[in-house]
Amino acid sequence: AQSVSQHNHHVILSEAASLELGCNYSYGGTVNLFWYVQYPGQHLQLLLKYFSGDPLVKGIKGFEAEFIKSKFSFNLRKPSVQWSDTAEYFCAVKERGAGNNRKLIWGLGTSLAVNP
Amino acid sequence: GAVVSQHPSRVICKSGTSVKIECRSLDFQATTMFWYRQFPKKSLMLMATSNEGSKATYEQGVEKDKFLINHASLTLSTLTVTSAHPEDSSFYICSAGQGPPSYEQYFGPGTRLTVT
Repeated sequence: AQSVSQHNHHVILSEAASLELGCNYSYGGTVNLFWYVQYPGQHLQLLLKYFSGDPLVKGIKGFEAEFIKSKFSFNLRKPSVQWSDTAEYFCAVKERGAGNNRKLIWGLGTSLAVNP
Repeated sequence: GAVVSQHPSRVICKSGTSVKIECRSLDFQATTMFWYRQFPKKSLMLMATSNEGSKATYEQGVEKDKFLINHASLTLSTLTVTSAHPEDSSFYICSAGQGPPSYEQYFGPGTRLTVT
């Protein structure tokens, strides 16, 4: 069965520090990969996604993620975080080509707190 | 991006009563909608996948007679929590799946249910 593992449950950084959140998945087939963010009191938003092509994906708000197929990883990075990046971050995976009704498999999330 | 709304945003009900939560895709047609439950500081738990015009597919451990899902149109799905119990208190989130080529899911703002 597919599963998604996020290594860091809680991360605390100071502003301007660099960020890397780990995400690994287990699935033998081809997948689409997503990072979602949930700011305090707000709904889930898509940060970035990987479907195919360049494994380095750039998303909104300066975030990027790199898909490394050999490591089954899709780590999220940002070179310099801001206080406004404080949020919950979720990695998710979906079997590619399975159409609209295939469910996302979610990681447990990483809580990021950025101190001003 | 596409907009998904949920109504109500907050609801308080007494034990034993039923409560209905609506999920609407405002600017696109969603053949598939997903219902999630989110626990504090926890990831999303998929409850069921709702397909327009057909019966919902429930995840293992989710009582289909307790959590009734109706997807009567391409823009509306409803979740009814029947005979509510305090342990049903939670944050319920829906998402609507967009069609090809992205098959991206757009999330509603969630509904906070409190059962007293």
